[in-house]
Amino acid sequence: KAGVTQTPRYLIKTRGQQVTLSCSPISGHRSVSWYQQTPGQGLQFLFEYFSETQRNKGNFPGRFSGRQFSNSRSEMNVSTLELGDSALYLCASILAGQGEQFFGPGTRLTVL
Amino acid sequence: QKEVEQNSGPLSVPEGAIASLNCTYSDRVSQSFFWYRQYSGKSPELIMSIYSNGDKEDGRFTAQLNKASQYVSLLIRDSQPSDSATYLCAVNAPAAGNKLTFGGGTRVLVKP
Repeated sequence: KAGVTQTPRYLIKTRGQQVTLSCSPISGHRSVSWYQQTPGQGLQFLFEYFSETQRNKGNFPGRFSGRQFSNSRSEMNVSTLELGDSALYLCASILAGQGEQFFGPGTRLTVL
Repeated sequence: QKEVEQNSGPLSVPEGAIASLNCTYSDRVSQSFFWYRQYSGKSPELIMSIYSNGDKEDGRFTAQLNKASQYVSLLIRDSQPSDSATYLCAVNAPAAGNKLTFGGGTRVLVKP
């Protein structure tokens, strides 16, 4: 069974640009969540999607947005990038029922 | 007070010994608890989940949950150098959907 895939794995952008990250969950999983990981703040929840609907959102500015498609694939977008957005962005595929979350390899975003 | 607290370590353990990691949480209604292992430069990997008071064993890992005292622990028996990693405690409360709140992680070093 294929795991969670995230693309791209690495990104370098400059301030003010925007970026789109993609995540494909484990086959059969309909929920995905996104997290940001930084050395200073640790792992922080961004948002959760289920059946193309955002179910929950973390405490991040509106520059961070996401969506989910009918095939459960999800994307997140960050507009007007800031230096502080440099982080590892992790997508997790959620097993229905017990809520176990399985992370993808992440996208390492560097903002210059 | 942080919602989920862990000692940052490093926790230095001789090979073959037991590593004991602790995690406390503040939300009394939390119901789902997870331990993740994260190697440097990699994404978190789910190693244990626990939902009810008591112990849960899986191979060399044992998770212990005490909801009355609001703590969850992880024991690693017969520690191996390959267990050297950061261990993250994650907590979910029913009202938060599938949002996981993470502790800052405990770095474990297993010395041969």
